[in-house]
Amino acid sequence: GAGVSQSPSNKVTEKGKDVELRCDPISGHTALYWYRQSLGQGLEFLIYFQGNSAPDKSGLPSDRFSAERTGGSVSTLTIQRTQQEDSAVYLCASTHTWGRDEQFFGPGTRLTVL
Amino acid sequence: SQQGEEDPQALSIQEGENATMNCSYKTSINNLQWYRQNSGRGLVHLILIRSNEREKHSGRLRVTLDTSKKSSSLLITASRAADTASYFCATISGAGSYQLTFGKGTKLSVIP
Repeated sequence: GAGVSQSPSNKVTEKGKDVELRCDPISGHTALYWYRQSLGQGLEFLIYFQGNSAPDKSGLPSDRFSAERTGGSVSTLTIQRTQQEDSAVYLCASTHTWGRDEQFFGPGTRLTVL
Repeated sequence: SQQGEEDPQALSIQEGENATMNCSYKTSINNLQWYRQNSGRGLVHLILIRSNEREKHSGRLRVTLDTSKKSSSLLITASRAADTASYFCATISGAGSYQLTFGKGTKLSVIP
């Protein structure tokens, strides 16, 4: 596709429910990144994938958060038993190769946990 | 954790004026990047400056990097109302690094 796409654009859920957020990176981009942006914490790195593997999951805030990537393309970020503090905008980015170059961001998913 | 700290937190200028935003960081870096964000959604990459570079230009943007002071500045010349957005600096540090560490951003308002 032309850019990184994310779905849904907005998600409102009740506390305790599970949610899945999807990211479609730019075609051919092997590296994929998830970030979270919240009022209190700013922009935080969550996890990154090189191909289908996630070498570093240390940014995930708790074991309720998990992510996977299949076929070296689409990634899903899952939050189980959501809490109000999970409310944030979840941003996905991709790059052609692992490394230090500019990251291309999607429009984000705004998650609101009631 | 936050690596960069932008200054000022908010900036309001008239259209046509120049806008300068500063960023300081704590650890040594591979490169520093500036991003723009409109309406709290997706970030758009503006410019990347590597640790061995001191200045870079892109259109109306000028970025400087002073690694001895661990600081960078972003200058937007002849600002337009469409430049109204939040601007973030982000760094990549250390061998084998891949994650961007963002500052808290400067909210720029350009008044027509």
